[in-house]
Amino acid sequence: DTTVKQNPRYKLARVGKPVNLICSQTMNHDTMYWYQKKPNQAPKLLLFYYDKILNREADTFEKFQSSRPNNSFCSLYIGSAGLEYSAMYLCASRQGQDTQYFGPGTRLLVL
Amino acid sequence: QQNVQQSPESLIVPEGARTSLNCTFSDSASQYFWWYRQHSGKAPKALMSIFSNGEKEEGRFTIHLNKASLHFSLHIRDSQPSDSALYLCAVRTGGYKVVFGSGTRLLVSP
Repeated sequence: DTTVKQNPRYKLARVGKPVNLICSQTMNHDTMYWYQKKPNQAPKLLLFYYDKILNREADTFEKFQSSRPNNSFCSLYIGSAGLEYSAMYLCASRQGQDTQYFGPGTRLLVL
Repeated sequence: QQNVQQSPESLIVPEGARTSLNCTFSDSASQYFWWYRQHSGKAPKALMSIFSNGEKEEGRFTIHLNKASLHFSLHIRDSQPSDSALYLCAVRTGGYKVVFGSGTRLLVSP
């Protein structure tokens, strides 16, 4: 089973409120990623976990948090959502040098 | 800083046509190259990958890589309506970071 699951699939949030998105995979992959995708733009890497080590991109360092309580789960946390956070959030996992497997995404709308 | 560009942004082709999608990258140290396909409402799914210069064919799909020209491409033979999707190219230099292009939206008309 090469399924990556994401919850929720759709999320409506108010400006200034927190948002927590969940990703899970049962492939025992060592690396999990979070991307932000806006229309007509490339998926933008936000952060990734290699095992228990979190790597956050410099330009989004303060905007997103994450946790990986075990190998299967990874969350993406926004402390205070702004309008600019409205986007599709894609989770992916990978083992070693292999291909990334993506989840279906969570569409976040901030009002 | 890796820069990955795709062309064209969108493409409409008739069923049965040959389709060519292009991807350029800026980091000459790039080592791994993928094409992903995303149907509407679905997860992006890896279609093909290539790690050395040359061509690789899988069914109706061929991927071509030219590292010297910082370019790789995807060719679809006998395009089908089911090929209609967003195609994303992706490049990895070494570590764990993968950089994506913004995508080519392909529509194959019956």
